[in-house]
This record gives sequence, C-alpha cells and structure tokens, in this order.
Amino acid sequence: EAGVVQSPRYKIIEKKQPVAFWCNPISGHNTLYWYLQNLGQGPELLIRYENEEAVDDSQLPKDRFSAERLKGVDSTLKIQPAELGDSAVYLCASSPGAGVETQYFGPGTRLLVL
Amino acid sequence: QKEVEQDPGPLSVPEGAIVSLNCTYSNSAFQYFMWYRQYSRKGPELLMYTYSSGNKEDGRFTAQVDKSSKYISLFIRDSQPSDSATYLCATGGYSTLTFGKGTMLLVSP
Repeated sequence: EAGVVQSPRYKIIEKKQPVAFWCNPISGHNTLYWYLQNLGQGPELLIRYENEEAVDDSQLPKDRFSAERLKGVDSTLKIQPAELGDSAVYLCASSPGAGVETQYFGPGTRLLVL
Repeated sequence: QKEVEQDPGPLSVPEGAIVSLNCTYSNSAFQYFMWYRQYSRKGPELLMYTYSSGNKEDGRFTAQVDKSSKYISLFIRDSQPSDSATYLCATGGYSTLTFGKGTMLLVSP
C-alpha cells in the first residue's frame, strides 16, 4: 500500500513569492492533516480535514495561508506571499477515521524562503 | 508552560544499552499518548500509542504513562545503531495531538 505522497520534496523561493504544496493521502483515508515543523521542534497542526470539510483551522494563519481539499481526496496548501519565517518542513498526514491513533505522515516538503 | 515538554538531547548511548526517553504534559484531559520516530529528512512514523494509562510493550519498546504525575516514557531495550533518530512524544484527545520537541538519540556501534 502506498503511503502519503507529498510534492515537491524541496522548494526554494524568494520572499513575497507564492508557493503551493500538494498532498495525496493513503487511499480510503477520510481525515487529512497539514502540519508545520520548524527545525528542532515537533509538528504543529495547521489544519485538519474530515473529507472535504475543514473541521479545525484555528492555527492556520489565514492572512497568508490557504488550503483546500477538493472531492475529499488530494489537498493543497498555499502560502501567498511567503515570508522568511515560513522556512520549515510542511508535513501532510492522513488517517482512516477521525482518531489520532492511526495517523500516517508523509515525507514532508522542505521550504526555504530567501 | 508548554503543553508537552521534552528534552531535545542529544542522548548518546552505546549499542546494547537500555534507553529511557521521557516527556511531561500539562493537560490532565489528555487520553492519547503516542511515540513517533523520525529519521532525518523523513516524516514521523508511529511507534506505539497508549490510551489512558498503563504500560504497553512491543518487542524491544515499552511505553509507560503515569497520569498522576503527567509523565510518559519510552524504553528501548538492546538499542541498535538503527534506532538512531529523533523520538517525538505526543499527547491529546481523540482528534488532535500536541507534540513535544523531540529527543535526538544516537546509538554508537
């Protein structure tokens, strides 16, 4: 069974540019998470979807970040405009239901903003 | 006070040693206690989880939860160089987790 797929794996952009990350969850997984992981820190939840509904986006900085999960499968996370402080790893995770005990992470997208 | 505290290490041990990794948490309502392993440039992978309190064993790994002191532990027996990674603890409710910073473990041959 394929795991969570994320692309791109690495991205370097200049500040003020837009950037988008894509996530394909494990087949059949209804819940999808986007996390931010800064260097030396644990993942921090940005947004959680159950099917196509964003059920927890309280930690998403909505002035510059947006996310969508059309048709309840793939998801994209966008930053516009990017700032230097956005340099981090963006992790996508999925689980078959709403419970945290079955969360599977993707490899992440490493973003560097210059 | 952060919700989950974890010593970042690094923790260096020789091969075959018993490793003890620990976290403290502040929210007494947390019921799920997870341990993830993260290799460099990879996503976290779930090692073990415990619901509520008590111990859980899986091969060389044992997870313990002491809710009275809000303390969670992961023990690794007969540690191997392949165990070298960052270990993240996480706690939370049914649908959301709060992660610690992670402890870097280095097991030398």
